[in-house]
Amino acid sequence: SQQGEEDPQALSIQEGENATMNCSYKTSINNLQWYRQNSGRGLVHLILIRSNEREKHSGRLRVTLDTSKKSSSLLITASRAADTASYFCATADTGGFKTIFGAGTRLFVKA
Amino acid sequence: GAGVSQSPSNKVTEKGKDVELRCDPISGHTALYWYRQRLGQGLEFLIYFQGNSAPDKSGLPSDRFSAERTGESVSTLTIQRTQQEDSAVYLCASRRAGTTYNEQFFGPGTRLTVL
Repeated sequence: SQQGEEDPQALSIQEGENATMNCSYKTSINNLQWYRQNSGRGLVHLILIRSNEREKHSGRLRVTLDTSKKSSSLLITASRAADTASYFCATADTGGFKTIFGAGTRLFVKA
Repeated sequence: GAGVSQSPSNKVTEKGKDVELRCDPISGHTALYWYRQRLGQGLEFLIYFQGNSAPDKSGLPSDRFSAERTGESVSTLTIQRTQQEDSAVYLCASRRAGTTYNEQFFGPGTRLTVL
């Protein structure tokens, strides 16, 4: 069964707006990662946050992690039409290898 | 360098046939993963290999599914007696060793259609 659950399932925004996606999980983790998928094929890694970190930035991406609530959020600032994709969170178990993905958020950015 | 490659990119088969899917990981990546993604859904963990350790097969949905890996290179995922519900994209990913804090690199996937 999937560990991660994401919301919203789908998000439609205007170019220039910020997009926030949330991820919740159930068990202890080693780290949490966010991936992006275009056109239903290969995924691309965006950012990794360790279990002892609370916030991380990479370009227009900001990720937060709250291990007490077992949740994470991904914020994309100043969105662009090219950001249109599906975004998945993935949690690595405490051993660091087994990785479980959420169901994903489908983001549509209108130009 | 070369990324993760998978073959075939598309496979159409008849119900009841066996299929074999191949994954070539990035050279030097000791961890290799297989996932299944049904249309419009998230990734479902199937199995991972890490070096010489026993693979974690906990995600394989039935005994019709099996996977092997030759050393730290090629892996094959075999589905026997395919069913229509096996239709999905099968994704492979590999990862470097040495730390748990690194990302997976994904192949383009194999789209399997069972008629």
